[in-house]
Amino acid sequence: GESVGLHLPTLSVQEGDNSIINCAYSNSASDYFIWYKQESGKGPQFIIDIRSNMDKRQGQRVTVLLNKTVKHLSLQIAATQPGDSAVYFCAETPNTPLVFGKGTRLSVIA
Amino acid sequence: KAGVTQTPRYLIKTRGQQVTLSCSPISGHRSVSWYQQTPGQGLQFLFEYFSETQRNKGNFPGRFSGRQFSNSRSEMNVSTLELGDSALYLCASSLTGTHEQYFGPGTRLTVT
Repeated sequence: GESVGLHLPTLSVQEGDNSIINCAYSNSASDYFIWYKQESGKGPQFIIDIRSNMDKRQGQRVTVLLNKTVKHLSLQIAATQPGDSAVYFCAETPNTPLVFGKGTRLSVIA
Repeated sequence: KAGVTQTPRYLIKTRGQQVTLSCSPISGHRSVSWYQQTPGQGLQFLFEYFSETQRNKGNFPGRFSGRQFSNSRSEMNVSTLELGDSALYLCASSLTGTHEQYFGPGTRLTVT
Protein backbone atom coordinates (compact mmCIF):
# COMPACT_ATOMS: atom_id res chain seq x y z
CA GLY A 1 0.00 0.00 0.00
CA GLU A 2 0.92 3.67 -0.09
CA SER A 3 3.36 4.99 2.48
CA VAL A 4 1.41 7.81 4.04
CA GLY A 5 3.94 8.82 6.64
CA LEU A 6 7.05 7.15 7.99
CA HIS A 7 7.35 9.13 11.21
CA LEU A 8 3.77 9.69 12.30
CA PRO A 9 2.78 9.50 15.95
CA THR A 10 1.15 6.15 16.55
CA LEU A 11 -1.70 5.22 18.82
CA SER A 12 -2.14 1.54 19.60
CA VAL A 13 -5.42 0.41 21.12
CA GLN A 14 -6.99 -2.91 21.98
CA GLU A 15 -9.97 -3.96 19.90
CA GLY A 16 -13.14 -2.91 21.67
CA ASP A 17 -11.51 -0.05 23.58
CA ASN A 18 -12.19 3.61 22.89
CA SER A 19 -9.64 5.65 20.93
CA ILE A 20 -8.89 9.33 21.29
CA ILE A 21 -6.88 11.07 18.60
CA ASN A 22 -5.77 14.62 19.25
CA CYS A 23 -4.96 17.52 16.99
CA ALA A 24 -3.68 21.01 17.70
CA TYR A 25 -4.61 23.54 15.05
CA SER A 26 -2.78 26.73 14.31
CA ASN A 27 -5.14 29.36 13.00
CA SER A 28 -7.44 31.00 15.53
CA ALA A 29 -9.51 32.29 12.62
CA SER A 30 -10.38 28.76 11.47
CA ASP A 31 -14.10 28.18 11.69
CA TYR A 32 -14.50 24.76 10.14
CA PHE A 33 -12.75 21.51 10.99
CA ILE A 34 -12.80 18.06 9.46
CA TRP A 35 -11.44 14.66 10.41
CA TYR A 36 -10.30 12.35 7.64
CA LYS A 37 -9.31 8.69 7.70
CA GLN A 38 -6.77 7.36 5.22
CA GLU A 39 -6.27 3.65 4.75
CA SER A 40 -3.30 2.20 2.96
CA GLY A 41 -3.61 2.60 -0.79
CA LYS A 42 -6.59 4.94 -0.60
CA GLY A 43 -7.30 8.62 -0.53
CA PRO A 44 -8.50 10.35 2.65
CA GLN A 45 -12.10 9.58 3.56
CA PHE A 46 -14.34 12.14 5.27
CA ILE A 47 -15.34 11.07 8.80
CA ILE A 48 -16.95 14.01 10.55
CA ASP A 49 -16.86 17.79 10.60
CA ILE A 50 -17.59 20.53 13.09
CA ARG A 51 -18.06 24.27 12.89
CA SER A 52 -16.56 26.67 15.37
CA ASN A 53 -19.95 27.54 16.87
CA MET A 54 -20.11 24.02 18.29
CA ASP A 55 -18.07 22.24 20.98
CA LYS A 56 -19.10 18.69 20.22
CA ARG A 57 -20.59 16.71 17.40
CA GLN A 58 -21.45 13.04 17.30
CA GLY A 59 -21.60 10.62 14.42
CA GLN A 60 -21.81 6.88 14.21
CA ARG A 61 -19.25 5.62 16.77
CA VAL A 62 -17.31 8.87 16.44
CA THR A 63 -17.36 12.11 18.38
CA VAL A 64 -15.43 15.27 17.62
CA LEU A 65 -14.65 17.74 20.40
CA LEU A 66 -13.50 21.28 19.75
CA ASN A 67 -11.77 23.48 22.32
CA LYS A 68 -11.27 26.87 20.74
CA THR A 69 -9.61 28.31 23.83
CA VAL A 70 -6.55 26.10 23.42
CA LYS A 71 -7.03 25.43 19.70
CA HIS A 72 -7.47 21.72 20.19
CA LEU A 73 -9.52 19.17 18.33
CA SER A 74 -10.06 15.54 19.23
CA LEU A 75 -11.65 12.54 17.60
CA GLN A 76 -13.09 9.83 19.79
CA ILE A 77 -13.83 6.42 18.31
CA ALA A 78 -16.00 4.13 20.40
CA ALA A 79 -15.47 0.37 20.48
CA THR A 80 -12.50 0.50 18.13
CA GLN A 81 -12.47 -2.20 15.47
CA PRO A 82 -9.67 -3.61 13.28
CA GLY A 83 -11.18 -1.75 10.33
CA ASP A 84 -10.44 1.51 12.12
CA SER A 85 -6.71 0.97 11.63
CA ALA A 86 -5.59 3.87 9.44
CA VAL A 87 -3.98 7.29 9.51
CA TYR A 88 -6.24 10.04 10.80
CA PHE A 89 -5.87 13.68 9.77
CA CYS A 90 -7.50 16.78 11.10
CA ALA A 91 -8.00 19.70 8.74
CA GLU A 92 -8.89 23.31 9.44
CA THR A 93 -9.95 26.26 7.39
CA PRO A 94 -10.97 29.86 7.89
CA ASN A 95 -11.74 29.68 4.20
CA THR A 96 -10.63 27.41 1.39
CA PRO A 97 -8.21 25.71 1.11
CA LEU A 98 -8.06 23.16 3.88
CA VAL A 99 -4.88 22.95 5.96
CA PHE A 100 -4.10 19.42 7.10
CA GLY A 101 -2.30 18.25 10.20
CA LYS A 102 0.50 15.71 9.99
CA GLY A 103 -1.70 12.79 10.95
CA THR A 104 -1.81 10.06 13.59
CA ARG A 105 -1.54 6.37 12.84
CA LEU A 106 -4.11 4.27 14.70
CA SER A 107 -3.18 0.65 15.14
CA VAL A 108 -5.85 -1.70 16.50
CA ILE A 109 -4.64 -4.78 18.34
CA ALA A 110 -6.98 -7.72 17.91
CA LYS B 1 -22.98 7.83 -7.30
CA ALA B 2 -19.44 7.23 -8.53
CA GLY B 3 -16.61 8.66 -6.46
CA VAL B 4 -13.68 10.78 -7.53
CA THR B 5 -11.52 8.98 -10.07
CA GLN B 6 -7.90 9.66 -10.87
CA THR B 7 -5.76 8.39 -13.70
CA PRO B 8 -3.25 6.98 -13.92
CA ARG B 9 -2.89 5.33 -10.50
CA TYR B 10 0.86 4.82 -10.83
CA LEU B 11 3.44 6.60 -12.91
CA ILE B 12 7.21 6.44 -13.22
CA LYS B 13 9.01 9.32 -14.89
CA THR B 14 12.58 10.48 -15.33
CA ARG B 15 14.01 13.78 -14.10
CA GLY B 16 13.39 16.56 -16.59
CA GLN B 17 10.29 15.01 -18.08
CA GLN B 18 6.81 16.39 -17.70
CA VAL B 19 3.66 14.65 -16.53
CA THR B 20 -0.11 15.20 -16.71
CA LEU B 21 -2.49 13.75 -14.15
CA SER B 22 -6.24 13.58 -14.56
CA CYS B 23 -9.14 13.84 -12.13
CA SER B 24 -12.85 13.30 -12.64
CA PRO B 25 -14.93 14.74 -9.78
CA ILE B 26 -18.14 13.39 -8.36
CA SER B 27 -21.04 14.21 -10.63
CA GLY B 28 -22.44 17.63 -9.73
CA HIS B 29 -19.30 18.79 -7.94
CA ARG B 30 -17.85 21.91 -9.51
CA SER B 31 -14.86 22.48 -7.26
CA VAL B 32 -11.70 20.41 -7.66
CA SER B 33 -8.64 20.71 -5.45
CA TRP B 34 -5.25 19.08 -5.81
CA TYR B 35 -2.89 18.07 -3.02
CA GLN B 36 0.59 16.62 -2.83
CA GLN B 37 1.21 14.04 -0.11
CA THR B 38 4.71 13.06 0.99
CA PRO B 39 5.96 11.34 4.16
CA GLY B 40 7.94 14.40 5.18
CA GLN B 41 5.51 17.21 4.41
CA GLY B 42 2.15 15.51 4.73
CA LEU B 43 -0.77 16.81 2.69
CA GLN B 44 -0.02 20.10 1.00
CA PHE B 45 -2.46 22.13 -1.04
CA LEU B 46 -1.54 22.74 -4.68
CA PHE B 47 -4.53 24.54 -6.21
CA GLU B 48 -8.28 24.70 -6.43
CA TYR B 49 -10.42 25.13 -9.51
CA PHE B 50 -14.03 26.18 -9.75
CA SER B 51 -15.92 26.71 -12.99
CA GLU B 52 -12.73 26.45 -15.02
CA THR B 53 -11.01 29.18 -12.97
CA GLN B 54 -8.20 28.78 -10.50
CA ARG B 55 -9.62 30.04 -7.22
CA ASN B 56 -6.71 29.35 -4.88
CA LYS B 57 -3.09 28.38 -5.26
CA GLY B 58 -0.67 26.88 -2.79
CA ASN B 59 3.00 27.61 -2.34
CA PHE B 60 4.44 25.53 -5.16
CA PRO B 61 6.73 26.58 -8.02
CA GLY B 62 5.38 27.49 -11.42
CA ARG B 63 6.34 24.04 -12.73
CA PHE B 64 3.06 22.90 -11.18
CA SER B 65 0.01 23.96 -13.13
CA GLY B 66 -3.52 22.84 -13.63
CA ARG B 67 -6.72 23.45 -15.45
CA GLN B 68 -10.38 22.56 -15.29
CA PHE B 69 -12.67 21.78 -18.17
CA SER B 70 -16.30 22.72 -18.68
CA ASN B 71 -17.42 19.28 -17.46
CA SER B 72 -15.49 19.95 -14.19
CA ARG B 73 -12.82 17.37 -14.96
CA SER B 74 -9.38 18.63 -14.04
CA GLU B 75 -5.80 18.01 -14.99
CA MET B 76 -2.58 18.97 -13.33
CA ASN B 77 0.77 19.19 -15.05
CA VAL B 78 4.26 19.11 -13.62
CA SER B 79 7.04 20.16 -15.96
CA THR B 80 10.77 19.56 -15.62
CA LEU B 81 10.30 16.87 -13.00
CA GLU B 82 12.63 16.72 -10.02
CA LEU B 83 13.32 13.81 -7.69
CA GLY B 84 11.50 15.71 -4.93
CA ASP B 85 8.30 15.66 -6.94
CA SER B 86 7.89 11.98 -6.12
CA ALA B 87 4.68 11.86 -4.13
CA LEU B 88 1.07 10.81 -4.00
CA TYR B 89 -1.03 13.40 -5.83
CA LEU B 90 -4.57 13.58 -4.56
CA CYS B 91 -7.57 15.20 -6.15
CA ALA B 92 -10.64 16.17 -4.14
CA SER B 93 -14.01 17.47 -5.28
CA SER B 94 -16.71 19.33 -3.42
CA LEU B 95 -20.07 20.95 -4.01
CA THR B 96 -20.19 24.66 -4.56
CA GLY B 97 -19.53 26.57 -1.37
CA THR B 98 -18.86 23.64 0.93
CA HIS B 99 -15.64 22.54 2.54
CA GLU B 100 -16.54 18.86 2.65
CA GLN B 101 -14.12 17.44 0.14
CA TYR B 102 -14.19 13.94 -1.28
CA PHE B 103 -10.86 12.50 -2.28
CA GLY B 104 -9.86 10.19 -5.07
CA PRO B 105 -7.41 7.31 -4.59
CA GLY B 106 -4.48 9.38 -5.81
CA THR B 107 -1.77 9.01 -8.42
CA ARG B 108 1.54 7.71 -7.14
CA LEU B 109 4.28 9.51 -9.09
CA THR B 110 7.84 8.25 -8.86
CA VAL B 111 10.61 10.34 -10.40
CA THR B 112 13.91 8.56 -11.05
